[in-house]
Amino acid sequence: EAGVVQSPRYKIIEKKQPVAFWCNPISGHNTLYWYRQNLGQGPELLIRYENEEAVDDSQLPKDRFSAERLKGVDSTLKIQPAELGDSAVYLCASSLGRGVNTEAFFGQGTRLTVV
Amino acid sequence: DAKTTQPNSMESNEEEPVHLPCNHSTISGTDYIHWYRQLPSQGPEYVIHGLTSNVNNRMASLAIAEDRKSSTLILHRATLRDAAVYYCILRMPPGNMLTFGGGTRLMVKP
Repeated sequence: EAGVVQSPRYKIIEKKQPVAFWCNPISGHNTLYWYRQNLGQGPELLIRYENEEAVDDSQLPKDRFSAERLKGVDSTLKIQPAELGDSAVYLCASSLGRGVNTEAFFGQGTRLTVV
Repeated sequence: DAKTTQPNSMESNEEEPVHLPCNHSTISGTDYIHWYRQLPSQGPEYVIHGLTSNVNNRMASLAIAEDRKSSTLILHRATLRDAAVYYCILRMPPGNMLTFGGGTRLMVKP
């Protein structure tokens, strides 16, 4: 079975341009996470979805970041406009529920470079 | 969120056991201890988790102190492929957030 699939793997854009990342979680996983990982640091949670409902989005910079999860399956994360400081790896993860015993599965991430 | 403390880096020789420590002195009775690792250019992957008792799986063992204020991830025989950043995470009900700290970078020498 395929794991969490993210695309693109790499993206280079100029500052002030928009960018979007796509995530296809593992089939049947109702919980979906978006994380941002800066170089040399651990991943930081941006937003968590339970099915199509966004919860735990307190760390999402809502002035420029938006996310959606239509029909509770695939998800997109968008940045508009991008800033130099947005350069990072954006990770998507999914799990079967959000209980303390659940295992989260991560995609390979999208490495964004803003120039 | 309850905080965990890990060494920034550790070194090991190939084919030797590795003990990765984690301190979590403010842990509560219902907090679970999870370990993830992140190989270079990959997303994190689950390793193991436990509550009170020691746990074993095909990847590693988790030894939890009796007072639960610390735990140790044990790789029984390190290989070059085990070189990664290892994250110790507390998951606390009801939110059960998966919050990453800085982790321990494990280097394995041939």
